[in-house]
Amino acid sequence: GQNIDQPTEMTATEGAIVQINCTYQTSGFNGLFWYQQHAGEAPTFLSYNVLDGLEEKGRFSSFLSRSKGYSYLLLKELQMKDSASYLCAVLDSNYQLIWGAGTKLIIKP
Amino acid sequence: DSGVTQTPKHLITATGQRVTLRCSPRSGDLSVYWYQQSLDQGLQFLIQYYNGEERAKGNILERFSAQQFPDLHSELNLSSLELGDSALYFCASSVGKDGPDTQYFGPGTRLTVL
Repeated sequence: GQNIDQPTEMTATEGAIVQINCTYQTSGFNGLFWYQQHAGEAPTFLSYNVLDGLEEKGRFSSFLSRSKGYSYLLLKELQMKDSASYLCAVLDSNYQLIWGAGTKLIIKP
Repeated sequence: DSGVTQTPKHLITATGQRVTLRCSPRSGDLSVYWYQQSLDQGLQFLIQYYNGEERAKGNILERFSAQQFPDLHSELNLSSLELGDSALYFCASSVGKDGPDTQYFGPGTRLTVL
């Protein structure tokens, strides 16, 4: 079967750094997406990785290791507005997006 | 603003009823996806249409159906509604049928079944 694992919930402090991990087992791989979703709102696109390595985009970075079936999203200089759920999704061999259950990130002052 | 529009924003109805949710994709996007998200749950993929044709099916109940019209807008029909159908329903759109196209989400329709 296809499976994506993320921690259910994480807590971090304002101004700190947090790393949200995602491991996957899918039938094929055509890239991995990270989305941010504030409570009751639509998911918004953060990043897409298809090659191994780190992609940096401002305070957010995303890393991929295809051989390990592993990705992480790194958030630096955390702000209260970063409190949200972070969804990992993998594009499988049929170009279908397989979604993780999401990680709820709580930022404390 | 993603450019994807959904109506209505909220919908309250009774068990056994039927409702229709509407979605207009971003200009130029040919694919439309429907998702269900129950309270504190992950996104459940329901169905994808590409240029009017069904492209992929997820965990969509037989009571649910969808279509995409020639102008590319899409409708999701939910019938014989049950309490458990209460959820946020999102529509997303992307440019192509296959390939690593980013999906852009509409604001969602919150359905409450009483």
